[in-house]
Amino acid sequence: SQQGEEDPQALSIQEGENATMNCSYKTSINNLQWYRQNSGRGLVHLILIRSNEREKHSGRLRVTLDTSKKSSSLLITASRAADTASYFCATDAGGYNKLIFGAGTRLAVHP
Amino acid sequence: DTAVSQTPKYLVTQMGNDKSIKCEQNLGHDTMYWYKQDSKKFLKIMFSYNNKELIINETVPNRFSPKSPDKAHLNLHINSLELGDSAVYFCASRQGRAYNEQFFGPGTRLTVL
Repeated sequence: SQQGEEDPQALSIQEGENATMNCSYKTSINNLQWYRQNSGRGLVHLILIRSNEREKHSGRLRVTLDTSKKSSSLLITASRAADTASYFCATDAGGYNKLIFGAGTRLAVHP
Repeated sequence: DTAVSQTPKYLVTQMGNDKSIKCEQNLGHDTMYWYKQDSKKFLKIMFSYNNKELIINETVPNRFSPKSPDKAHLNLHINSLELGDSAVYFCASRQGRAYNEQFFGPGTRLTVL
């Protein structure tokens, strides 16, 4: 079963606006990761947040993690047309455990 | 200098055939994975190898057989292909255990007719 559930499933915004995507999960995690997938391409790692961290930044990306609510959010500020892609959260229970991916949010940024 | 490469990129074949997808990583990682992404974009782990040893084997039909000849390669062989096997298959690698990101290959789009 899917561990991470993202919402919204699709998001359409104008360039310059902020985009927020949410991810909920079900079981305990070691860390949570966000990946981007451009159409027809592989996944690219964006950011990893550990279970003992609450917020992390990387450039225009801001990720929060609330382990009490088992949820995470990805904020992309000042979006660009090049940010158009699908975004996936993935939970990692640690050790050699597998990454479990959510269904993804399709983001469209219009010029 | 591609980090994780897969061949072929596209594979179109008839039901019942046997096919292989190859994956190579030049990152020096010790763990490799195969994922399947279906038409709804759900990405699901299939197998994982660490130092050529199988460590994750999800509920995958035994028509799928991974083979890791060395740490840098993880191939996927599929016997008796079925329509439902049509998907995009991604190879990935990472170093060690948790706290490390996974690096994904570009994917192999398999279409079974």
